Amino acid sequence: SQTIHQWPATLVQPVGSPLSLECTVEGTSNPNLYWYRQAAGRGLQLLFYSVGIGQISSEVPQNLSASRPQDRQFILSSKKLLLSDSGFYLCAWGRQSSGNTIYFGEGSWLTVV
Amino acid sequence: EDKVVQSPLSLVVHEGDTVTLNCSYEVTNFRSLLWYKQEKKAPTFLFMLTSSGIEKKSGRLSSILDKKELFSILNITATQTGDSAIYLCAVGYGGSQGNLIFGKGTKLSVKP
Repeated sequence: SQTIHQWPATLVQPVGSPLSLECTVEGTSNPNLYWYRQAAGRGLQLLFYSVGIGQISSEVPQNLSASRPQDRQFILSSKKLLLSDSGFYLCAWGRQSSGNTIYFGEGSWLTVV
Repeated sequence: EDKVVQSPLSLVVHEGDTVTLNCSYEVTNFRSLLWYKQEKKAPTFLFMLTSSGIEKKSGRLSSILDKKELFSILNITATQTGDSAIYLCAVGYGGSQGNLIFGKGTKLSVKP
């Protein structure tokens, strides 16, 4: 069966510091991978998605970036965090053959102070 | 602009009640409609609907899609306190990327 893990689960970072959230998927190959952000009172917002190694599409302009160095690894980064980057970040995976169904990781709570 | 609207935003019921959650959408190049349940952390997948009029069921939960009127409902019968959660509706669009637009969710609280 497929599993998805992301870490860290929670972190508190000062403004201007860097960020790295990591996500890995097991039990499948060549998945579609996604980073979402969920802010209070707002729906889930798609930040990045990837259909293959090194292929990243950005949905929302921001100071975040994503990378996919391996088939089942997806990383969300920032060089300098802003207060507005605080939120709940979710990694997700899906199969290209199964349309739009995606499955989420456990999530990472980021507080920028 | 594409959008997914859920109603009500929040709902409080007592155990044993039946609830209906609504999701309407205006999305170009519609492919599917999905329901997720979010408790404390990650949303968990409930249903994916692609065809009108075909009910999907899982235990006390069921859902149906109306592609003509552009909405879906999620029914929960004989609610239990464990059903308390945020229920998210999402509409899939576009090609094989699996892109989704999410609604803001309905927060369901089931009182004992």
